[in-house]
Amino acid sequence: NAGVTQTPKFRILKIGQSMTLQCAQDMNHNYMYWYRQDPGMGLKLIYYSVGAGITDKGEVPNGYNVSRSTTEDFPLRLELAAPSQTSVYFCASSLKTFNTEAFFGQGTRLTVV
Amino acid sequence: DQQVKQNSPSLSVQEGRISILNCDYTNSMFDYFLWYKKYPAEGPTFLISISSIKDKNEDGRFTVFLNKSAKHLSLHIVPSQPGDSAVYFCAASGGDSNYQLIWGAGTKLIIKP
Repeated sequence: NAGVTQTPKFRILKIGQSMTLQCAQDMNHNYMYWYRQDPGMGLKLIYYSVGAGITDKGEVPNGYNVSRSTTEDFPLRLELAAPSQTSVYFCASSLKTFNTEAFFGQGTRLTVV
Repeated sequence: DQQVKQNSPSLSVQEGRISILNCDYTNSMFDYFLWYKKYPAEGPTFLISISSIKDKNEDGRFTVFLNKSAKHLSLHIVPSQPGDSAVYFCAASGGDSNYQLIWGAGTKLIIKP
């Protein structure tokens, strides 16, 4: 049982480039989330989804886009990368709402130079 | 503004003794609180949670206490074990944040042999 799988684990982007962070879960969870964690800070919610075809903004959505075409996959798109997007990105999923146990991927460390 | 604060960036405890991690919050609308544990290069893992209708929740060596009047919660680990060395995050949710989790910055717990 793989749980939540994120790819890639590391990436260096140049300013202005774009990329997609992949996230897949095999637990048939309805809820999926993207968080970012900056050094010395807590996690901040970027986007979330309550099911296929439904997405909504979190606390820090600017500069990102998401889609949820299937229950399993929840990719995060960065357009026109900026140094402020240098962070560690975590994808997570849960069976029910925010208040229930969420399962996290291992994270993607992104550096924008 | 930091709605969830973990004022101790790190804490060192002798193996076998009690570890007490603290978390303060400012938003009186928060009604659910969760603790997550994170090892380096891994995603957070759920530890324990508590609803605002309770003042204590226990799960094995882990107990969370909630003091609503003081807007304070604490996580007690007893006895502390070497495998407990990790970063511990407190997170809170409530109706006015659309139930999205608001995370503290984390406390790094070091268990000394």
